[in-house]
Amino acid sequence: GNSVTQMEGPVTLSEEAFLTINCTYTATGYPSLFWYVQYPGEGLQLLLKATKADDKGSNKGFEATYRKETTSFHLEKGSVQVSDSAVYFCALENSGNTPLVFGKGTRLSVIA
Amino acid sequence: GAVVSQHPSWVICKSGTSVKIECRSLDFQATTMFWYRQFPKQSLMLMATSNEGSKATYEQGVEKDKFLINHASLTLSTLTVTSAHPEDSSFYICSARDNEAKNIQYFGAGTRLSVL
Repeated sequence: GNSVTQMEGPVTLSEEAFLTINCTYTATGYPSLFWYVQYPGEGLQLLLKATKADDKGSNKGFEATYRKETTSFHLEKGSVQVSDSAVYFCALENSGNTPLVFGKGTRLSVIA
Repeated sequence: GAVVSQHPSWVICKSGTSVKIECRSLDFQATTMFWYRQFPKQSLMLMATSNEGSKATYEQGVEKDKFLINHASLTLSTLTVTSAHPEDSSFYICSARDNEAKNIQYFGAGTRLSVL
């Protein structure tokens, strides 16, 4: 079946530090991959996505590259800010009208 | 960008009462919407897939008589928690799939339900 595994948090970083949140997936076929962000007390917002191998999604300084050979979609940011503190979810969608499959989420806290 | 409105954002109710949560796509049509439940510090658990004009598809372990879903139009799905009990207290989140961009789901801001 389809599944997403992401690194467990919480992750605590100082402002301007480099961020990596690992995400690997298991899926049949060729899924689309997503990173969603959830700020405290809010719903999920799409952060970035990639729909095929070697695609790189990017937004707000965050990047993730769809690596089919390692079945990974790691999230990176070169310099985090306090405002990036949130929970980050990796997700996949296999095809058509199927629901998203989420990882368990990684809580990021950035301290000044 | 596309917006999904979820209402109410927060509701407190007495045990035994029913609560209705609305999920609206504001500037796009959505044949398919999804309802999730999120426990504190945990991931989203898919409860059901809501399809306009047909019955919802519930995930294993989710009681369809407890969580009634109605998707009467291309822009509105409702989740009714019937005879709510304290264990139903949770954060409920809906998402809507844009009919014109099928690999994109937009999420509502969530509804925090507290059952006393």
